Amino acid sequence: EIVLTQSPDTLSLSPGETATLSCRASHSVSDTNFAWYQQRPGQAPRLLIFGASRRATGIPDRFRGSGSGTDFTLTVSRLEPEDFAVYYCQQYGDSPLTFGQGTRLDLK
Amino acid sequence: QVHLQESGPGLVKPSDTLSLTCTVSGYSISSHNYWGWIRQSPGMGLQWIGSLYPSGSTFYNPSLKSRVTISVDTSKNQFSLKLTSVTAADTAIYYCARLYASSPPHPFDAFDVWGQGAMVTVSS
Repeated sequence: EIVLTQSPDTLSLSPGETATLSCRASHSVSDTNFAWYQQRPGQAPRLLIFGASRRATGIPDRFRGSGSGTDFTLTVSRLEPEDFAVYYCQQYGDSPLTFGQGTRLDLK
Repeated sequence: QVHLQESGPGLVKPSDTLSLTCTVSGYSISSHNYWGWIRQSPGMGLQWIGSLYPSGSTFYNPSLKSRVTISVDTSKNQFSLKLTSVTAADTAIYYCARLYASSPPHPFDAFDVWGQGAMVTVSS
């Protein structure tokens, strides 16, 4: 099983700043089979990025995914109030599909 | 617009079977997508339970495989989850979701549409 470790656990920033979230895999993820999700309180996760760097439908270009192998990054530029939420990474290159433990993006 | 809605009992007794149904609207479940179940709890975080193709082929998380069955009813545009011999550790929010329509469809993919989730508590 591929274990995903996200860092930091919590990131405190202000609107307008840039957030950099990391996810490290215990084994290499094949073919950039990697996704990022945003989860707001009381809501289901929402797909932001798949294929490591492809934005899902309707996701603004402020969200950028990058990385390969074992190290992946989600960058959120020009933070807006609605961006403060919990973010999860997911790998789907190997069974079982696994998720990271989440990074909470807090309003400073 | 595609919409997924989970339904089923919110309280299940220990050792009983948890049963949930996901009703898909605005999209045919027979389209070229896999469909899946994921659960979320404070202790386990997000955990993939399994994926299903409309033909009936299924793929399960090995940690749950002995207790899980996912099935489909294309006539009702629904798919279902059964989890047997539940314990308190199975208490979670259960989500149904659509997997991204890769070409060809793949059982291991990102989840691009999610239901709102159903809270299931295992308690006597």
